[in-house]
Amino acid sequence: GIQVEQSPPDLILQEGANSTLRCNFSDSVNNLQWFHQNPWGQLINLFYIPSGTKQNGRLSATTVATERYSLLYISSSQTTDSGVYFCAVGSSGGSYIPTFGRGTSLIVHP
Amino acid sequence: GAGVSQSPRYKVTKRGQDVALRCDPISGHVSLYWYRQALGQGPEFLTYFNYEAQQDKSGLPNDRFSAERPEGSISTLTIQRTEQRDSAMYRCASSLNQREAFFGQGTRLTVV
Repeated sequence: GIQVEQSPPDLILQEGANSTLRCNFSDSVNNLQWFHQNPWGQLINLFYIPSGTKQNGRLSATTVATERYSLLYISSSQTTDSGVYFCAVGSSGGSYIPTFGRGTSLIVHP
Repeated sequence: GAGVSQSPRYKVTKRGQDVALRCDPISGHVSLYWYRQALGQGPEFLTYFNYEAQQDKSGLPNDRFSAERPEGSISTLTIQRTEQRDSAMYRCASSLNQREAFFGQGTRLTVV
């Protein structure tokens, strides 16, 4: 099956800093999502982005499907951004069964 | 409902007991997924349904695990003869059209 690798595994920032999280995948995809798992364990949808670029406030994401990667940008980070960020993908040509990476654990210090 | 609802939120059970975890998807969503997430890991696929039909159960770890969605809406994941290694967060998600999936808050299962 498709492999999903996320980097870095851990990230520690000072409030106000910017960061880039990366998701590489091993095969062509027709679905890709970014999630934030907050400290209470809830998985929150950030972006549905199988290709192109989207922005939502301080967050933006870009997927370059032909090169098999996606990036999540967090600008002016806040303590509430802390948690684990997951990328999940679905292979082209089949039903969408989200396959997750291991996530990037982010801690933002005040 | 407004979102995916899972119950119970927390379940502690003794080894050897059966447990049933419930998922109520977003109204009208066709696809329903079950995942298991160990601490420090990403969610791992267990099984999924389109309407009432179980499309793929390749992720179920063994025959103690089963799932059903008899009327194409609410689903139940059942674990028989629970073992300590079954302790994890169990997550349910639903999707309208095989695109964006939305997750519930999960059920934290602890087997003692």
